Amino acid sequence: SAVISQKPSRDICQRGTSLTIQCQVDSQVTMMFWYRQQPGQSLTLIATANQGSEATYESGFVIDKFPISRPNLTFSTLTVSNMSPEDSSIYLCSVSGVAGELFFGEGSRLTVL
Amino acid sequence: GENVEQHPSTLSVQEGDSAVIKCTYSDSASNYFPWYKQELGKGPQLIIDIRSNVGEKKDQRIAVTLNKTAKHFSLHITETQPEDSAVYFCAASLTSGGSYIPTFGRGTSLIVHP
Repeated sequence: SAVISQKPSRDICQRGTSLTIQCQVDSQVTMMFWYRQQPGQSLTLIATANQGSEATYESGFVIDKFPISRPNLTFSTLTVSNMSPEDSSIYLCSVSGVAGELFFGEGSRLTVL
Repeated sequence: GENVEQHPSTLSVQEGDSAVIKCTYSDSASNYFPWYKQELGKGPQLIIDIRSNVGEKKDQRIAVTLNKTAKHFSLHITETQPEDSAVYFCAASLTSGGSYIPTFGRGTSLIVHP
């Protein structure tokens, strides 16, 4: 299993500002995943972050809006840029286990006013 | 791509009753089907999974069944307890070549009344 720590756990932000979410894993992993969970909704993959290369974004998500860093095998950040109320969501960091299962952080709950 | 449908969206039961959540998938190549439980204010946590070479798997009060022909799988919780109250997500994926990108269902909010 993997233990994933996310910061901040929650934040309230003003429209037009940016917020960076940090994700720390207790073991080295090749891929880290960032998900968005809008209120009452399912999990939507934003991007896959590999160490040493640019993140791979899913349809509907772009690097300018959600820049991702992956400086080493245990850490990643996701920035939500130029926020609007529609960005109010839970953002989840995740890693894959050897059997294909996912381990998630506790999530970062973002409210944009 | 894969499409996963999950029903019901909300399920309310009395403590001690059984609960069943059903999912269907579209891609016959999918071979891994995990179930996640998300308690309020927490991230999803894997509770049970099944692979395509198995028809049923049990772990104490929870079980998962898979019908590959019909492309559906179900989560069964027996003797429900209030602490089973949470949102449950099913997922389907193809695990090969070291990559793993699951498609999630929309979730089922299970409420167990004491």
